[in-house]
Amino acid sequence: EVQLLESGGGLVQPGGSLRLSCAASGFTFSSYAMNWVRQAPGKGLEWVSGISGRGGTSYYSDSVKGRFTISRDNSKNTLYVQMNSLRAEDTAIYYCAKEDGDYEDAFDIWGQGTMVTVSS
Amino acid sequence: QSVLTQPPSVSGAPGQRVTIYCTGSSSNIGAGYDVHWYQQLPGTAPKLLIYGNNNRPSGVPDRFSGSKSATSASLAITGLQAEDEADYYCQSYDSSLSVGVFGGGTRLTVL
Repeated sequence: EVQLLESGGGLVQPGGSLRLSCAASGFTFSSYAMNWVRQAPGKGLEWVSGISGRGGTSYYSDSVKGRFTISRDNSKNTLYVQMNSLRAEDTAIYYCAKEDGDYEDAFDIWGQGTMVTVSS
Repeated sequence: QSVLTQPPSVSGAPGQRVTIYCTGSSSNIGAGYDVHWYQQLPGTAPKLLIYGNNNRPSGVPDRFSGSKSATSASLAITGLQAEDEADYYCQSYDSSLSVGVFGGGTRLTVL
C-alpha cells in the first residue's frame, strides 16, 4: 500500500526550530518529486516547498524561503523539512505529498498531516 | 488573496449538479498549465480528484469531471450525494511566481 506518514510536529516558541519527517512506503521513493503543503487552522491549502526525486533541486514559497530547508534521504525513503525562525503564522497542519509521475504539481498521495503550533 | 479564485461556497440538493469555478490569469491557467482538483473531507487530508484538467484517478466516480478554458477551469459534480460534502481546491502552476498555487477553496454543502 502506498503510504506517507508525517511526524515531528508539536508546540514550539516563536523563533524556535522544528524538523518534520515524512516516511514513505509502497512506491519507489527516489523516482518522485515530493512536496510539503500546509493548512492553517480554518484556512485553505498553501504549497510550502518541493524537492526533485534525486534531491538536487528544491523550491520554496516566498513565505518560508530562507527559513525552511527541504531535504530527502532516498536510502531511508524519508522526506524532511527543517523549519527555523518559526513565526505564529507558520502554525498549521503540514502535509507531505507525492507528485504524480506524469503531471507536475499533481499530488496523488498525501500523508495524514502533522500539526505545528508556534506560540509562547 | 489566492492567485486562483474560487467561490467560498456552493450548495445543491441531492441528485442535482453543481459546478465549481476556478479563475486564474495569463501566468497560470491561461499560460496553458494543467489544473488539478482536490477534495478534502472534514478532518481528513486532501485527495486528488481530477488531474491534468479532466482526468480522474482510479476509484474516483465519473460523477466528477473537470474542464478548462482560457484562464479558468471548472469542476462539475453530477448526481450530488451527501458524502460529497467537502472542501474542493483547484491547483495549477504560476510562471510569474515560479511555484505551484492553490485556489482558496470552495465548501460544498449538500442540502
